[in-house]
Amino acid sequence: GAGVSQSPSNKVTEKGKDVELRCDPISGHTALYWYRQSLGQGLEFLIYFQGNSAPDKSGLPSDRFSAERTGGSVSTLTIQRTQQEDSAVYLCASSRTGGEGNTIYFGEGSWLTVV
Amino acid sequence: GQQVMQIPQYQHVQEGEDFTTYCNSSTTLSNIQWYKQRPGGHPVFLIQLVKSGEVKKQKRLTFQFGEAKKNSSLHITATQTTDVGTYFCALPGAGSYQLTFGKGTKLSVIP
Repeated sequence: GAGVSQSPSNKVTEKGKDVELRCDPISGHTALYWYRQSLGQGLEFLIYFQGNSAPDKSGLPSDRFSAERTGGSVSTLTIQRTQQEDSAVYLCASSRTGGEGNTIYFGEGSWLTVV
Repeated sequence: GQQVMQIPQYQHVQEGEDFTTYCNSSTTLSNIQWYKQRPGGHPVFLIQLVKSGEVKKQKRLTFQFGEAKKNSSLHITATQTTDVGTYFCALPGAGSYQLTFGKGTKLSVIP
């Protein structure tokens, strides 16, 4: 596609439920990133995928968070047993190769509200 | 780990005034990127600086990379209401090339 596509754009869920957020990167981009942005805050790195390499999961805040990337393209971020502090915008981004200096292109984000 | 400080956190200016945001790193950088996020939007890439002392201009925006490659600035001349948003600097992270973002400077322009 022309840009990074994320779904759902908005999600309201009850505390304790699991949610899945989907990201479809720009075609041909091998690197994929997930970031989280709480209201009025900066961007917090969550996880990074590059080709077939093992993902960099160093930013995942707890073991309730996981992500996978199938076929080197679409990625799903899963949050289990959601908590209110998980409420944030989850931004997916992709870049051509993931090398240093590569521009990353963000999707519109998935706005998650946990009630 | 990578430390980045971005100041100021907020800036309110009258339309037509200039604006500057600064980004400082605890380590020497190979490059630095700048992004703009409009209210309710997602970050959009503005520019990348690579060379020591580099200065790049985009219309009313001037980007500088320090001689020591530890700091950078974004200067907007004669701000307009379309400049409203949050400006982030982003540094390459360790190892796997993920970007570390500053906390951003939120710019408000009073018409």
